[in-house]
Amino acid sequence: EVQLVESGGGLAQPGGSLRLSCVASGFTFSTYEMNWVRQAPGKGLEWVSYITYSGLTTYYADSVKGRFTISRDNAKNLLSLQMNSLRAEDTAVYFCARHSGSYWAATFDIWGQGTLVTVSS
Amino acid sequence: QSVLTQPPSASGTPGQRVTISCSGSSSNIGSNTVNWYQHLPGTAPKLLIYNNDQRPSGVPDRLSGSKSGTSASLAIRGLQSEDETDYYCAAWDDSLNGVVFGGGTKLTVL
Repeated sequence: EVQLVESGGGLAQPGGSLRLSCVASGFTFSTYEMNWVRQAPGKGLEWVSYITYSGLTTYYADSVKGRFTISRDNAKNLLSLQMNSLRAEDTAVYFCARHSGSYWAATFDIWGQGTLVTVSS
Repeated sequence: QSVLTQPPSASGTPGQRVTISCSGSSSNIGSNTVNWYQHLPGTAPKLLIYNNDQRPSGVPDRLSGSKSGTSASLAIRGLQSEDETDYYCAAWDDSLNGVVFGGGTKLTVL
């Protein structure tokens, strides 16, 4: 079964850090680009970051640029999101999503269930 | 404020046809393909339409997508109670170098 499972969410203080993980199974992880998408409470979906299959190219939303870092370990089928300098507005459920097709197609065909990040003092 | 504009709500009665619009610009919808997602809060979002009008396997043919210029739309015919949830459009934006989503449309089946 094709599956993405996120973990690492929890409570963090403003200015603090968290590292999210997403483990992939059921497909050849190393041949797919990947993304992180989030949903703040009562808000819509917001794209956060993208990484190519090799990990050599990454893109970020302006709202997280310079604070978040996306990375991957293809040997472990693992996608990560290092979140630093956290703000209250980063509070959200974070989803990892598989990218299908060219980067400009932006088709997310497989999603995880999400992990909740709460930033509060 | 989302880059792609969707109506916040839509509604219809069982069996009816409803459409959800998505308006963008030349840097996103005008130059790239549109995808539609269904999201029941608390669950994983689901891809409904990709490449403007293509359905993944398992998505019923009563759902359809279209695109014209800088706008796109999702149509659902034969509305069912299970269709009551949130819908989002999305596309790559060449100016932002990233994916932009619409604000989402909450569909109510009356």
